[in-house]
Amino acid sequence: DAGVIQSPRHEVTEMGQEVTLRCKPISGHNSLFWYRQTMMRGLELLIYFNNNVPIDDSGMPEDRFSAKMPNASFSTLKIQPSEPRDSAVYFCASSRFGNTDTQYFGPGTRLTVL
Amino acid sequence: EDQVTQSPEALRLQEGESSSLNCSYTVSGLRGLFWYRQDPGKGPEFLFTLYSAGEEKEKERLKATLTKKESFLHITAPKPEDSATYLCAVQARGGSEKLVFGKGTKLTVNP
Repeated sequence: DAGVIQSPRHEVTEMGQEVTLRCKPISGHNSLFWYRQTMMRGLELLIYFNNNVPIDDSGMPEDRFSAKMPNASFSTLKIQPSEPRDSAVYFCASSRFGNTDTQYFGPGTRLTVL
Repeated sequence: EDQVTQSPEALRLQEGESSSLNCSYTVSGLRGLFWYRQDPGKGPEFLFTLYSAGEEKEKERLKATLTKKESFLHITAPKPEDSATYLCAVQARGGSEKLVFGKGTKLTVNP
């Protein structure tokens, strides 16, 4: 089975530009998570969805960040406008809620904002 | 606030030299403690889940144990391919699926 798919794998953009990161969860999984990883702060949860509904967005740093999950097989994380401090690796993960809750991670998107 | 502290930050071992990684946690009721392995440039890869104090799980050269305040990841006779960053995370009771991660231990095993 295919794992979690993320695109793009690398993104380099200039400050002020809009950035959209994409994620396809594992088929049959009903929970989806967006994480951000930096050297300083480690791996932090930004937001998670259950059955396409946002459940906890307390980790979203500010209004410049938004996430959507229009259907069970697709989610986006958008940053508008982007800033240099948003540079990080963004991971998407999915799990089958109620089945040990193990979260399976995608390969990540490395974002660099110049 | 739930917190996870991992030590040491980095560990260098010779091939065959056994050791342990520590994960100390504070959580408002533990639902599960998770260990992941992360290779450079990749996403975390699931290793184990532990649910209650006294529980142990093994996979090849790795064994994870859990007490009420900490978890250990024991590595027996490590090989160079065990080199990676090992991440620990906790999930609290109460229905939330949120994982709180430690910053990890970077393990290097020299041949």
